[in-house]
Amino acid sequence: SQQGEEDPQALSIQEGENATMNCSYKTSINNLQWYRQNSGRGLVHLILIRSNEREKHSGRLRVTLDTSKKSSSLLITASRAADTASYFCATENFGNEKLTFGTGTRLTIIP
Amino acid sequence: EAQVTQNPRYLITVTGKKLTVTCSQNMNHEYMSWYRQDPGLGLRQIYYSMNVEVTDKGDVPEGYKVSRKEKRNFPLILESPSPNQTSLYFCASSLRGISYEQYFGPGTRLTVT
Repeated sequence: SQQGEEDPQALSIQEGENATMNCSYKTSINNLQWYRQNSGRGLVHLILIRSNEREKHSGRLRVTLDTSKKSSSLLITASRAADTASYFCATENFGNEKLTFGTGTRLTIIP
Repeated sequence: EAQVTQNPRYLITVTGKKLTVTCSQNMNHEYMSWYRQDPGLGLRQIYYSMNVEVTDKGDVPEGYKVSRKEKRNFPLILESPSPNQTSLYFCASSLRGISYEQYFGPGTRLTVT
């Protein structure tokens, strides 16, 4: 069953611009993680935000979490061509050891 | 180098011919899991293992088997593959569970004809 749903499904921006992706989920979560996937390759962990945190930064990445709206956003600042990839949110629900992934946002950075 | 390896990377097989996809990690991780990725459906968990000899079903376990006899290995077994199991498969591991960063393997692209 799908828990996280990313929005938009696809996003194209010019290099240097900021990219924002959103993730919405249905049930209460323990943690939420964001991953990046370059075409056909394994996913790479970007950031984990806990349910009691509201914002987290890592380099050019900024993640917010709004548990009242059951949503999270990933902001990539000053985008680069190398940021072209698919981005997935993954939610950890209470009571089980399953990580549930969304369907992803395909980000294209135009040089 | 810390990594998760999968073999084979590509496999084309026929319906009903048993196959095994191996997964190995060198990070002494307790938690390992298998996912399949299909267009429009994202990643769906097949099975996971909290530790040696401890395995449990994910969201789409039908048609798959796993075993965890050693901490480093977590093979995925398809006893009688069918065309609807054509997919991209990923193995992942983490230190202790899903509250930790997941390390993914490079993927195995399986085609069942």
